[in-house]
Amino acid sequence: SQQGEEDPQALSIQEGENATMNCSYKTSINNLQWYRQNSGRGLVHLILIRSNEREKHSGRLRVTLDTSKKSSSLLITASRAADTASYFCATDGQYGNKLVFGAGTILRVKS
Amino acid sequence: DAGVIQSPRHEVTEMGQEVTLRCKPISGHDYLFWYRQTMMRGLELLIYFNNNVPIDDSGMPEDRFSAKMPNASFSTLKIQPSEPRDSAVYFCASRSGTETDTQYFGPGTRLTVL
Repeated sequence: SQQGEEDPQALSIQEGENATMNCSYKTSINNLQWYRQNSGRGLVHLILIRSNEREKHSGRLRVTLDTSKKSSSLLITASRAADTASYFCATDGQYGNKLVFGAGTILRVKS
Repeated sequence: DAGVIQSPRHEVTEMGQEVTLRCKPISGHDYLFWYRQTMMRGLELLIYFNNNVPIDDSGMPEDRFSAKMPNASFSTLKIQPSEPRDSAVYFCASRSGTETDTQYFGPGTRLTVL
């Protein structure tokens, strides 16, 4: 079974609004990563947060991690139409070098 | 750097035929991963290599699938014989052994088995 599970499965917002996606996982982790996938393309790394970090920022992205709840959230502020994509969380956990990806959240930003 | 390169980008074949997917990782990366993505099962890790050696192939679905990495700049994923249920997008990704755990993905090969 997948280690990370995202919710919602799909999200549709207006340009300029904020988008929040959540990820839950099952086992202990060393780090958690978020990736973006545009339609028909490969995955692109967005941000990595380590298990001893609680929050991390990168441009319009903010990631939080709560290891006690085994959950993470990705916030995209001031969304743009170009942010339309699928977003995946990935954890390493007990798998070492292997990443296990969640099912993803499909984000649609309407202009 | 050109990033991870995969070929072909699209492959359409008939059931029973052999299919070979190719990947060139980013120069200097020590790890190479093969993934398969379908609507039903999402993104699954098939196999990964470290310094050209297969480390974990537990995700390879069955004996029809095989992967090789003859040198640091080339890897293949072969399906023989192919079946319609193998239709999926296959991604190759690479990672540095010394930097963070970030993986860099290729554009994928969309395989359709008729």
